[in-house]
Amino acid sequence: QQQVKQSPQSLIVQKGGIPIINCAYENTAFDYFPWYQQFPGKGPALLIAIRPDVSEKKEGRFTISFNKSAKQFSLHIMDSQPGDSATYFCAARERNTDKLIFGTGTRLQVFP
Amino acid sequence: EAGVAQSPRYKIIEKRQSVAFWCNPISGHATLYWYQQILGQGPKLLIQFQNNGVVDDSQLPKDRFSAERLKGVDSTLKIQPAKLEDSAVYLCASSPGTGYSGELFFGEGSRLTVL
Repeated sequence: QQQVKQSPQSLIVQKGGIPIINCAYENTAFDYFPWYQQFPGKGPALLIAIRPDVSEKKEGRFTISFNKSAKQFSLHIMDSQPGDSATYFCAARERNTDKLIFGTGTRLQVFP
Repeated sequence: EAGVAQSPRYKIIEKRQSVAFWCNPISGHATLYWYQQILGQGPKLLIQFQNNGVVDDSQLPKDRFSAERLKGVDSTLKIQPAKLEDSAVYLCASSPGTGYSGELFFGEGSRLTVL
């Protein structure tokens, strides 16, 4: 199966810090790259997404940076808050099938 | 708008027993997905339906797992017989269909523990 590699596995920052989560992919047939946020006991929920023709997308405190030539993309959380503590998954969608392949997840803890 | 509904939320069974999970997607959503999420891992696609047809079931262990989506609405995922390694959260998700922006809407999942 096509893979999306995600790092780090876990991340601990203090309130106000800027955690960065990185993902890399191999398949050039991916056409959509979302990030999902998951709280314990809940299903993942879409946080922000980007298409490969854009190098950066910002929504509030969340920014995706996308490097098409390197096949890498990352999530930056500005001014992180304790409420941002969750598991974050990057994902990539296969063109024409809508099949969404997830990374392994990053558990983020933001301490006050 | 009601979200994706799943039941049961929790199920504990012994190995070799059977279990079934039910999912009701968001009304009007043509595409339905079942994902398996093992503790500490990302969700893995088991099967994808477009209306009541199967689009992708390449990762579904067909010797023990089966899924159906009658009438293109709700869906059932069955495991028979269960193995210890089937312990996971089974997530159902839906989307309006191919060509859509790409967001999947997930239910809260059904947590299975196999003893």
